[in-house]
Amino acid sequence: EPEVTQTPSHQVTQMGQEVILRCVPISNHLYFYWYRQILGQKVEFLVSFYNNEISEKSEIFDDQFSVERPDGSNFTLKIRSTKLEDSAMYFCASKKDTNTGELFFGEGSRLTVL
Amino acid sequence: GQNIDQPTEMTATEGAIVQINCTYQTSGFNGLFWYQQHAGEAPTFLSYNVLDGLEEKGRFSSFLSRSKGYSYLLLKELQMKDSASYLCAVRGPSGTYKYIFGTGTRLKVLA
Repeated sequence: EPEVTQTPSHQVTQMGQEVILRCVPISNHLYFYWYRQILGQKVEFLVSFYNNEISEKSEIFDDQFSVERPDGSNFTLKIRSTKLEDSAMYFCASKKDTNTGELFFGEGSRLTVL
Repeated sequence: GQNIDQPTEMTATEGAIVQINCTYQTSGFNGLFWYQQHAGEAPTFLSYNVLDGLEEKGRFSSFLSRSKGYSYLLLKELQMKDSASYLCAVRGPSGTYKYIFGTGTRLKVLA
């Protein structure tokens, strides 16, 4: 069964460092998302991406964050200068088209900022 | 604004039936989704309602009342492996893409 894959599964970084989280969405999907979940808290929307551009972003997704789809398969989230409060599980998700209901989530990348 | 409420925790016994409620107040509505999330894992899709009524899928059913801003997830014949968090999520109106998640309900199934 096709699945969303994410790398790395866990990354530890120093405050102020740049981090890139990578995702390979399901191949025939058109809508891509990043969500984050701070330990013990709810899944929070960061950004959605469609047709090679950001379609929506939340207040969390400030200038420190960026997304890219550098080729036909990868979808990346970059955090330019990490802060302690960026420590969370970051989930990539994709869905097929406008009418398709569910999001398919990857296994997540756990980011720990020291 | 967006507000999605669920009970924080519930406990039930193996073999029993449990109902997890979700109320929402969102600016626009285009579907309500239920996800299961085991600790440390990704959310996995369970059920989807866009029209009022009951959707049944094996041991899981989900109900929606749009006029009341209310949904529930019904789990029958509970098994130990059903111990997980259950997340209610609302998709915004047509033209938006985001899904907003509630805080989740942590369900403990006891033997």
